[in-house]
Amino acid sequence: SQTIHQWPATLVQPVGSPLSLECTVEGTSNPNLYWYRQAAGRGLQLLFYSVGIGQISSEVPQNLSASRPQDRQFILSSKKLLLSDSGFYLCAWKRGRSGSPLHFGNGTRLTVT
Amino acid sequence: AQSVTQPDIHITVSEGASLELRCNYSYGATPYLFWYVQSPGQGLQLLLKYFSGDTLVQGIKGFEAEFKRSQSSFNLRKPSVHWSDAAEYFCAATDSWGKLQFGAGTQVVVTP
Repeated sequence: SQTIHQWPATLVQPVGSPLSLECTVEGTSNPNLYWYRQAAGRGLQLLFYSVGIGQISSEVPQNLSASRPQDRQFILSSKKLLLSDSGFYLCAWKRGRSGSPLHFGNGTRLTVT
Repeated sequence: AQSVTQPDIHITVSEGASLELRCNYSYGATPYLFWYVQSPGQGLQLLLKYFSGDTLVQGIKGFEAEFKRSQSSFNLRKPSVHWSDAAEYFCAATDSWGKLQFGAGTQVVVTP
């Protein structure tokens, strides 16, 4: 069976510090990978998605970037965090075929102080 | 533009009572439809999905959803809620080409 791992679970970082959140998927190959953010009361916002190694699509211009160095690894980064980067970050994967559902990790609660 | 709408931001229901959460979609053709549940501090868990065929879809945790093409709706129901059903529920849709689009979510509170 497939599993998705996301870490860390919680993170408190000062403004201006770098960020690296990691997500890995097991039990499948060539998944589509996604980073979402949930800010309080604002629903789910798609940040980045990837359909293959080195292929990253950005949905929202912002202070963040994403990379996919390996088939089942997806990394969310920032060089300098802003207060507005606080939120709940969710990684997700799906099979490439049409209509496949997303499967989510347990999320990372990021607080920028 | 494609959209998914959950009209109810917040619903309060008594334990043992029935629950119905509304979802409407706006797509050119019938999309693939999903319901997810999110407990506090957790990721989203897939409850059920609709692709085609039988318009009444059974999911996990005793939930079901009914697809109504004429109303562009995909409402989620549970006959008798348990305190553990308190969570946020998201409806989502995608067509053959696009990315999954989520509604804004409905927060469900269960009272004793």
